[in-house]
Amino acid sequence: EDQVTQSPEALRLQEGESSSLNCSYTVSGLRGLFWYRQDPGKGPEFLFTLYSAGEEKEKERLKATLTKKESFLHITAPKPEDSATYLCAVVIGGNQFYFGTGTSLTVIP
Amino acid sequence: GAVVSQHPSWVICKSGTSVKIECRSLDFQATTMFWYRQFPKQSLMLMATSNEGSKATYEQGVEKDKFLINHASLTLSTLTVTSAHPEDSSFYICSGNMAKETQYFGPGTRLLVL
Repeated sequence: EDQVTQSPEALRLQEGESSSLNCSYTVSGLRGLFWYRQDPGKGPEFLFTLYSAGEEKEKERLKATLTKKESFLHITAPKPEDSATYLCAVVIGGNQFYFGTGTSLTVIP
Repeated sequence: GAVVSQHPSWVICKSGTSVKIECRSLDFQATTMFWYRQFPKQSLMLMATSNEGSKATYEQGVEKDKFLINHASLTLSTLTVTSAHPEDSSFYICSGNMAKETQYFGPGTRLLVL
C-alpha cells in the first residue's frame, strides 16, 4: 500500500536551533516529491519539488533532500516566522498527490 | 507567478442551501484542477480531479451529486456543495497545475453550515 509518513508530528525549536523534518514514503514509481508550507487558515504554499534520489534544493533557511525512501527538510537557524505546518506529498501515476499528515513547527524566540 | 485565488474566502449558510466556491488560476492556465477538503489539524484529502471540459473524477467516498464540479475553462473551476449540512463544514482548498506535476494551491474557503 502506498504510504507517506511525516515525522515528527510536532516540533518545537528555539530560534537558531537547526533541525530536520522527515518524510518517508513507500510508493512504487515515484514521479516527484513536493514540500509545502501551510500557515493556519491558509492554503499550502509551494516550496520545493524533488524528482530523483540525490537531488537537493535550497531556499533561504530551508534545504530539501531526497533518497529512494525518504526526504528531509533541513531548517538552518530557524526564525519565529518559520513556524508553520510543513507538508510533503508524492506523485506516482497521473497527477494525484498523496499527502503526509504534516509536521507542525513552532520556533520560539 | 502561479497564483490561485478562491472566492469566497469564507461562507456561512443554513442547512439545506447550496454553496458555490470559485477557483481561478490568475497567471497560468491550469490543465488540471483539484479540490481538497481539510479538517482541523488534519492533512488535505483529495475530493476530485478535473480537466477542462471533462467530467471530474471523484475519489472514493465523495458523492458526486453532492459536490458538483465544473471546470469551464483553463482558469476557472467551481465546486458547488448542494443541500449543505453541518457535516459539510470544512476548509475547502483548490489547486491547479500546468504541464508538470507541481500543484499551486488557492488560499482556501472556510464553509460553516448552521
